[in-house]
Amino acid sequence: EVQLVESGGGLIQPGGSLRLSCAASGFTVSSNYMSWVRQAPGKGLEWVSVIYSGGSTYYADSVKGRFTISRDNSKNTLYLQMNSLRAEDTAVYYCARGVLYGPPFDPWGQGTLVTVSS
Amino acid sequence: AIWMTQSPSLLSASTGDRVTISCRMSQGISSYLAWYQQKPGKAPELLIYAASTLQSGVPSRFSGSGSGTDFTLTISCLQSEDFATYYCQQYYSFPWTFGQGTKVEIK
Repeated sequence: EVQLVESGGGLIQPGGSLRLSCAASGFTVSSNYMSWVRQAPGKGLEWVSVIYSGGSTYYADSVKGRFTISRDNSKNTLYLQMNSLRAEDTAVYYCARGVLYGPPFDPWGQGTLVTVSS
Repeated sequence: AIWMTQSPSLLSASTGDRVTISCRMSQGISSYLAWYQQKPGKAPELLIYAASTLQSGVPSRFSGSGSGTDFTLTISCLQSEDFATYYCQQYYSFPWTFGQGTKVEIK
């Protein structure tokens, strides 16, 4: 069964750092493209970042220069390193798999909540 | 960036109704459009990609159409489990963007 499980969320002060993890099972992370999508409380969905199988990465302007997407092929795990966190980064963060020339975000993980507050 | 206008934002309907949700792009995206369903407290689920390809396991009452700048999600016969929020998403160019969402509620 294809499954994604996020972890690493929590309460963090403005300016702090946090690393989210997304453990994959049932498929190989490095053979697909993988994304992070976030959803602020009561709001819509916002794409954050993507990493392609070849290693290319892209970011939303709102996080560029502060967030870094990466993966560990040996652990079949995706990461999101978040630095210089702001209150507006407060959201549930989801990871999702994409298939080239196929579905872009499927499946999704259950999400992990990041709260940036003093 | 590509701007998306999803409408309506709220749709009141009854079980058995045929409903349509629209998504309009600020520029052409070929068929690089997906539709998702999200229920409260849950992760979104993919319904349709490439504008009209039904994801495996999704009921056939869901369908998608359109290309270029105008797209539509249709639910042919609304079921109780379909009351949820729906989002369109373009993956034609970065930054990938989502529509504002359409909440389908019970009339």
